[in-house]
Amino acid sequence: DIQMTQSPSSLSASVGDRVTITCRASQTISSSLHWFQQKPGKAPKLLIYGASTLQSGVPSRFSGSGSGTDFTLTISSLQPEDFATYYCQQTFSTPHTFGQGTKLE
Amino acid sequence: EVQLVESGGGLVKPGGSLRLSCAASGITFNIYSMNWVRQAPGKGLEWVSFISSSNSYIYYADSVKGRFTVSRENAKNSLYLQMNSLRAEDTAVYYCARSGRSGGLDYWGQGTLVTVSS
Repeated sequence: DIQMTQSPSSLSASVGDRVTITCRASQTISSSLHWFQQKPGKAPKLLIYGASTLQSGVPSRFSGSGSGTDFTLTISSLQPEDFATYYCQQTFSTPHTFGQGTKLE
Repeated sequence: EVQLVESGGGLVKPGGSLRLSCAASGITFNIYSMNWVRQAPGKGLEWVSFISSSNSYIYYADSVKGRFTVSRENAKNSLYLQMNSLRAEDTAVYYCARSGRSGGLDYWGQGTLVTVSS
């Protein structure tokens, strides 16, 4: 199974900050990497698919990069509504594992 | 508007069974692969199962293999998860989610809570 490791597990930041979250796969997954945002009590929301493509309706301050084993999610200027937990997921091979999450607070 | 609505959750005793349903609307259901994802209380997301649009490909997490069965009825725009031999560690909110472009899960239901407890 492919293990997905996110870092950091939690992150303290302020409005206006530039934030970067990293996701590392235990083996190469090409660009089959997706990022989600989840707020308490809500379903996850897709932000980025295919490592770097912004999902429709998602603000352009979110961006993704990487391929192979190392990926990043960047929020260029943090907004109050961005405080949430972020997950990466690989769909290169089953099981389609998620990272453990990064709580942005 | 795309809507996925799960139902069928509830309280069940260890060893019991439950069948979850996911009703889809606003999409051409029969051309999309679908997934079940769960989240234990206070924990992260765990992928559970995948089923392709025509049932040709079905996959499970090791933690549920042999106990859970995913199925779909395209004529009814519905996805199902039959859960047998339930354990306490299966307690979670279960979400159905659509596989969009490049495999990203682009639409999710609101979730249904399954509690396994005596």
